[in-house]
Amino acid sequence: NAGVTQTPKFQVLKTGQSMTLQCAQDMNHEYMSWYRQDPGMGLRLIHYSVGAGITDQGEVPNGYNVSRSTTEDFPLRLLSAAPSQTSVYFCASSYSWGTSQETQYFGPGTRLLVL
Amino acid sequence: TQLLEQSPQFLSIQEGENLTVYCNSSSVFSSLQWYRQEPGEGPVLLVTVVTGGEVKKLKRLTFQFGDARKDSSLHITAAQTGDTGLYLCAGVDTGNQFYFGTGTSLTVIP
Repeated sequence: NAGVTQTPKFQVLKTGQSMTLQCAQDMNHEYMSWYRQDPGMGLRLIHYSVGAGITDQGEVPNGYNVSRSTTEDFPLRLLSAAPSQTSVYFCASSYSWGTSQETQYFGPGTRLLVL
Repeated sequence: TQLLEQSPQFLSIQEGENLTVYCNSSSVFSSLQWYRQEPGEGPVLLVTVVTGGEVKKLKRLTFQFGDARKDSSLHITAAQTGDTGLYLCAGVDTGNQFYFGTGTSLTVIP
């Protein structure tokens, strides 16, 4: 049981390039989400999904796209990278969505630098 | 919009000392969670508090949810070097959306 996995661990991009951050979980969790973590700002929600085929925007969705074709995978796409997207990105999952006591399980993160 | 403010932002103490971290908001939350994050890793859940005024203890860590469910505190007794890390609070609103605090970076010096 690997939990939540993320690839790559590190990535350097040039402004304007596109890329996909991969996230997978093997716990059959319904709810998956993407956060970015910046110094002094905690974690901010980018997009989330309450099940396959269902996605919605979080607090900071601009410049990012997501899709959820399977329960296991939830990739995050940067359409045209900008220096402001330099951050550490975390994927998280939880068993369900709909209670206030769910435990979110986080992946190890992807460190992205946009030059 | 940052709904949760944590204080202090940085804390450096000697092993054996006590400390308290605060998580404050003007919003009411259905529940409040505390996570610890170590360098290079994702956050790991420590505790969830649900009822206003609730107190939960996890060994040397004591968590309290404010009576009005707008704030919370984390108290560590006799800190150890293994307590070093980033502590994050997260409020869950009535729509079951998570909002993370700004974080408190704790360093315990041997």
